[in-house]
Amino acid sequence: GQNIDQPTEMTATEGAIVQINCTYQTSGFNGLFWYQQHAGEAPTFLSYNVLDGLEEKGRFSSFLSRSKGYSYLLLKELQMKDSASYLCAVTTNAGKSTFGDGTTLTVKP
Amino acid sequence: GAVVSQHPSWVICKSGTSVKIECRSLDFQATTMFWYRQFPKQSLMLMATSNEGSKATYEQGVEKDKFLINHASLTLSTLTVTSAHPEDSSFYICSAKEGQGASQPQHFGDGTRLSIL
Repeated sequence: GQNIDQPTEMTATEGAIVQINCTYQTSGFNGLFWYQQHAGEAPTFLSYNVLDGLEEKGRFSSFLSRSKGYSYLLLKELQMKDSASYLCAVTTNAGKSTFGDGTTLTVKP
Repeated sequence: GAVVSQHPSWVICKSGTSVKIECRSLDFQATTMFWYRQFPKQSLMLMATSNEGSKATYEQGVEKDKFLINHASLTLSTLTVTSAHPEDSSFYICSAKEGQGASQPQHFGDGTRLSIL
């Protein structure tokens, strides 16, 4: 099976930088996704990492270390609309994704 | 971008009723769609993988006779909750991938909130 851990909740200030960590244990690793989910809505795709290193996409960046089973999502210049749940999802060679429990981020003025 | 439409968005019905939820990929073909269940403040739990033209693959612990999945075309998958009971009340979300590659993200429908009285 797979074990995915993320912090349950985080709070940050508007304009600041926040890092959301995700650790995982899996066999047949074939990539890690980050999704954003606002309350009562469906998740939306943010990033995908399959190789070690940092992927930057505007205010959002995602990092992966396969040897450590570790990823983080970095959000810069936080805005109020960034308040949401952030889901880490690990994909295996079988093609399925397993989601972590999500990190609820609250951005305060 | 790839759009997935899920219908209905909200269902309230009596215990014992069967409820059908549709998931459509509007601008792409999806040979594989996924059905998830989500409880409040919890993550997505994969129920089954829907494969076009063949039987769905159910996750351990999910009753296939209770949750019927049909994937009759490359753009439509349906989930039928048969003889629904209050414990089946939940948020159900479908997703589809535009291609077969592992790097392809899942595109999610807006979800169906099911309440069984």
